[in-house]
Amino acid sequence: SYVLTQPPSVSVAPGKTARITCGGNNIGSKSVHWNQQKPGQAPVLVVCDDSDRPSGIPERFSGSNSGNTATLTISRVEAGDEADYYCQVWDSSSDHHVFGTGTKVTVL
Amino acid sequence: QVQLVESGGGVVQPGRSLRLSCAASGFTFSSYGMHWVRQAPGKGLDWVTVISYDGTNKYYADSVKGRFTISRDNSKNTLYLQMNSLRAEDTAVYYCAKALYSYGYQESAFDYWGQGTLVTVSS
Repeated sequence: SYVLTQPPSVSVAPGKTARITCGGNNIGSKSVHWNQQKPGQAPVLVVCDDSDRPSGIPERFSGSNSGNTATLTISRVEAGDEADYYCQVWDSSSDHHVFGTGTKVTVL
Repeated sequence: QVQLVESGGGVVQPGRSLRLSCAASGFTFSSYGMHWVRQAPGKGLDWVTVISYDGTNKYYADSVKGRFTISRDNSKNTLYLQMNSLRAEDTAVYYCAKALYSYGYQESAFDYWGQGTLVTVSS
């Protein structure tokens, strides 16, 4: 089955840039989505189709995808960005959606 | 506005059954694929199953195939998850989620999620 690997944690100072990677075999050929989940809350979609932002998501959130790695970039990080982030793809070979292992972003 | 409200969770013994419901409002339910995603306590997101907008196509995670059944009633704007032969490892918060694109249910992201309902499988 298709596996998406993320770093368990990323720490960043306020105002700096956080980059969260999502590794998968030839992930660049797939559409990658990113979800943010704060404690006790349901996930929220922050980036879809590699680099598109849903309505209401700040421009500080951006995405890219190439080769074996997709990346979510959070610019000018704020305390409110502290959350778990999950990448997600549809694996057509198994007809399954797959979530990454998740990354906890801590704002110092 | 879009709302997804899950219900039906609770405590159930191993081997028993439970049916979850997800009441949808604020969008044309019959035009969108719908998913169930679960999250065990302290763990990550785990995709469970998807159903196409018209109910004709359904896919399941290997861990639930043959035990769980997804269905929908477009006349009632409601999504269901029938869970049979429950195991301790099925203990989780179960979320329903809406596909972003109408008539899409495969590559589409999930743009709205419910607040979840907790299922605890324990003797």
